[in-house]
Amino acid sequence: DIQMTQSPSSLSASVGDRVTITCRASQSLSSYLNWYQQKPGKAPNLLIYVASSLQSGVPSRFSGSGSGTDFTLTISSLQPEDFASYYCQQSYSTPWTFGQGTKVEIK
Amino acid sequence: EVQLVESGGGLVQPGGSLRLSCAASGFTFSSYWMHWVRQAPGKGLVWVSRINSDGSSTSYADSVKGRFTISRDNAKNTLYLQMNSLRAEDTAVYYCARASTAIRSRPFDYWGQGTLVTVSS
Repeated sequence: DIQMTQSPSSLSASVGDRVTITCRASQSLSSYLNWYQQKPGKAPNLLIYVASSLQSGVPSRFSGSGSGTDFTLTISSLQPEDFASYYCQQSYSTPWTFGQGTKVEIK
Repeated sequence: EVQLVESGGGLVQPGGSLRLSCAASGFTFSSYWMHWVRQAPGKGLVWVSRINSDGSSTSYADSVKGRFTISRDNAKNTLYLQMNSLRAEDTAVYYCARASTAIRSRPFDYWGQGTLVTVSS
C-alpha cells in the first residue's frame, strides 16, 4: 500500500497568512494526487486534483504543486472560512489512501 | 444538481450486520465508479471499498475484506454496502463518494452527508 504522510498535523495561523501543507508519498504517484477540505460535521470537499488543477468553484487562493512523491497545498491568504482540516489522497493505485490530515486553526 | 444521500446507519452489536444505502440523483449513476469512505470519531478519512460503473469489479480495504460487500443497482440509482461481522473498530461515519470520470486521477468529486455506524454492546 502507498503511505501518505502529511505535515504538519496541525497549525495555527491568522487571517491573511500564507499557509503551506505538504504531503509525501511512499512511492511515486506521477500526478495522481488530490486535496480535500473538511469542515467539522461536514463531508469532505474536493479542492485540487491531479496535483495542481483547481476544482470548479474553489477560490483561486488555493493552489497545489508537486509530482512524484512530494506535493504541496498552499493557501495564499487565509480566510475565516478556510479554518478546517485538509487531506491529501493518492488515486494512483488501490487501495486509495489518504494522509492523516492537517487541522488549520485560528491563531 | 448532484446529490448523494446515505441511509441505514445506526447502533449494532459486535458481530452484527447492517446494510448502508446511498441514493444518487442529478447525474447518470450508471456511468460512474462509486466508493465508500469512512471516518472514525475524531480521526481521518479511510477508503473502504470501490465498485466500477456496471458492478462487475470491486475492491476492498484489507480491514474489511471478507466482511463487507459493495454492490449497486443502476436501475434504482443506488449504491450499497453490506457490512457483516461488525467490530467496534468499524464505528465511523460512512460516506459514499462519486469518482470523476472526466479527470484522469479520478478524484472523489461529490460526497454524501454521511451515515453514522456505531458498533457497541
